[in-house]
Amino acid sequence: QQQVRQSPQSLTVWEGETAILNCSYEDSTFNYFPWYQQFPGEGPALLISIRSVSDKKEDGRFTIFFNKREKKLSLHITDSQPGDSATYFCAASGRTQVVGQLTFGRGTRLQVYA
Amino acid sequence: AQTIHQWPVAEIKAVGSPLSLGCTIKGKSSPNLYWYWQATGGTLQQLFYSITVGQVESVVQLNLSASRPKDDQFILSTEKLLLSHSGFYLCAWRGGSAETLYFGSGTRLTVL
Repeated sequence: QQQVRQSPQSLTVWEGETAILNCSYEDSTFNYFPWYQQFPGEGPALLISIRSVSDKKEDGRFTIFFNKREKKLSLHITDSQPGDSATYFCAASGRTQVVGQLTFGRGTRLQVYA
Repeated sequence: AQTIHQWPVAEIKAVGSPLSLGCTIKGKSSPNLYWYWQATGGTLQQLFYSITVGQVESVVQLNLSASRPKDDQFILSTEKLLLSHSGFYLCAWRGGSAETLYFGSGTRLTVL
């Protein structure tokens, strides 16, 4: 059973456009949602995160929108750059998780063309 | 600043051979340590975690074992590799009650 789902599996946008990556979850006890960015051959790096008490988190060109009622969130990347081309993972954790355990989605591969 | 180092960067091994991967964290006292596995193009699956020296908990059974011989060191090993062990192994750390997980650069394992 996949507890964290991401869509689309891959996404292509042109430089300057806004990329929208979607994530949904099933476990209502999840309360922390980080997004990780991974370049080929590297480990994932934390990009931005949100807690379930908030409905929006902004950091530069990256914004998370969170809908607790629908158990959905999305990552918006505005003014997309070729350097943003990477795989983005949505993850979740909550009170019932094993210590420090994050449940990851399958990722969205983003390609930004110049 | 904290640094995490994984070794080796890549390994090509034969089915049935032993394996040992390592991870060292510098600049952080008593971190929580984790091993994750990632299939090519796939999601990240937590394998083990350790809160303190000598104590390791298994999350999934993949015919692998882990040990924490020192506060700053985490080892992943097996005596007999399977084809299904191929993938990208990532070590990660977290500081105490903080939620942010920091990953190493990973080890690419190919089992032939």
